[in-house]
Amino acid sequence: EDQVTQSPEALRLQEGESSSLNCSYTVSGLRGLFWYRQDPGKGPEFLFTLYSAGEEKEKERLKATLTKKESFLHITAPKPEDSATYLCAVQAADSGNTPLVFGKGTRLSVIA
Amino acid sequence: KAGVTQTPRYLIKTRGQQVTLSCSPISGHRSVSWYQQTPGQGLQFLFEYFSETQRNKGNFPGRFSGRQFSNSRSEMNVSTLELGDSALYLCASSLSGREKANSPLHFGNGTRLTVT
Repeated sequence: EDQVTQSPEALRLQEGESSSLNCSYTVSGLRGLFWYRQDPGKGPEFLFTLYSAGEEKEKERLKATLTKKESFLHITAPKPEDSATYLCAVQAADSGNTPLVFGKGTRLSVIA
Repeated sequence: KAGVTQTPRYLIKTRGQQVTLSCSPISGHRSVSWYQQTPGQGLQFLFEYFSETQRNKGNFPGRFSGRQFSNSRSEMNVSTLELGDSALYLCASSLSGREKANSPLHFGNGTRLTVT
């Protein structure tokens, strides 16, 4: 069974204090790993897709990396507006179009 | 381009009632997926529709059903509501056909269902 585990569950950072969020996954062949950001009262907002080990994607203060067993979301010099829940999801390789399996997320709070 | 639209935003129902939620995908997106989000379980996959056909189904009881119309709009229905059905129901659309299997999901802001 495909599984995604995110850690930590919650993270509190001072503004400017860089850190990383972890997403460990078990999947029978990876088609893609996705990162989303979710603000309170809203749906998840797509950030990145990673397809193979060694791949990296960047967007503003966020950088996502991928290995064969886990992905990291690095946050450099975060600002209060980066406060949100960050969700990781995997899609298994299949002949069809398999659904995404999500982790439970990391709730990030950035304090000014 | 308009995003995924879900209606209503909030619903309060009583145990035993049924409810219908609606989702309008991004224009041009033919795949619609539904997820249930709760604090304890996170996002759990309900079902996916593509070209009016259910393509995938999650591990939910038969009280949960859905359909997709020819314009790609989708509805999900929950019958005989239980207290445990209280959750945020999220709809997501994507370009995904067989040739676009990696296209990301784009989510709406959900319908918050409370069952009393």
